[in-house]
Amino acid sequence: GQQLNQSPQSMFIQEGEDVSMNCTSSSIFNTWLWYKQDPGEGPVLLIALYKAGELTSNGRLTAQFGITRKDSFLNISASIPSDVGIYFCAGRLNYGGATNKLIFGTGTLLAVQP
Amino acid sequence: EPEVTQTPSHQVTQMGQEVILRCVPISNHLYFYWYRQILGQKVEFLVSFYNNEISEKSEIFDDQFSVERPDGSNFTLKIRSTKLEDSAMYFCASSERRGNQPQHFGDGTRLSIL
Repeated sequence: GQQLNQSPQSMFIQEGEDVSMNCTSSSIFNTWLWYKQDPGEGPVLLIALYKAGELTSNGRLTAQFGITRKDSFLNISASIPSDVGIYFCAGRLNYGGATNKLIFGTGTLLAVQP
Repeated sequence: EPEVTQTPSHQVTQMGQEVILRCVPISNHLYFYWYRQILGQKVEFLVSFYNNEISEKSEIFDDQFSVERPDGSNFTLKIRSTKLEDSAMYFCASSERRGNQPQHFGDGTRLSIL
């Protein structure tokens, strides 16, 4: 099946530092989404990307849809303790609209030390 | 902000029993989904549902599983003759339309099979 390789697997940083994580695949996607999951809760949508090259921000978060349509990155600037959680990328494959399922990455665990 | 709600939050069931997981999607959404997340692993697609029929399903979604929209607000996942390996978080999601529309997730039901 299709795979989304997400890295890094985990990050342990100091409050105030910037964070970068990314997802790559051998398949072409027409949608990239970034979600955050807190313990015991469902994924919460952070940013949605729909066009190759698109760069979108949501507060301190910035994400880009790679030009090749096979990758995406998420940056978090000036991290704060509440940024702690697991971040997932998710993509929708380019099957001409024939599929709506999301394929999830393996997740990045972010720990922020005050 | 409207949200997807799921009940129960935790279900404990004996192996071999049937379980029904319930979801109330966001009210103006037309596409509904079930995903599962085995402890410590990534989120996996199970099934998508539109216009009272399954539009797509994964290889995980075998004859043991079924979905139903019994009324205008609920969306259910039934697992017949549960197995130990069915233990996981089950997430319901919904989206407004097909295509480039973000999927919004509920907080999940933790299913524990004993």
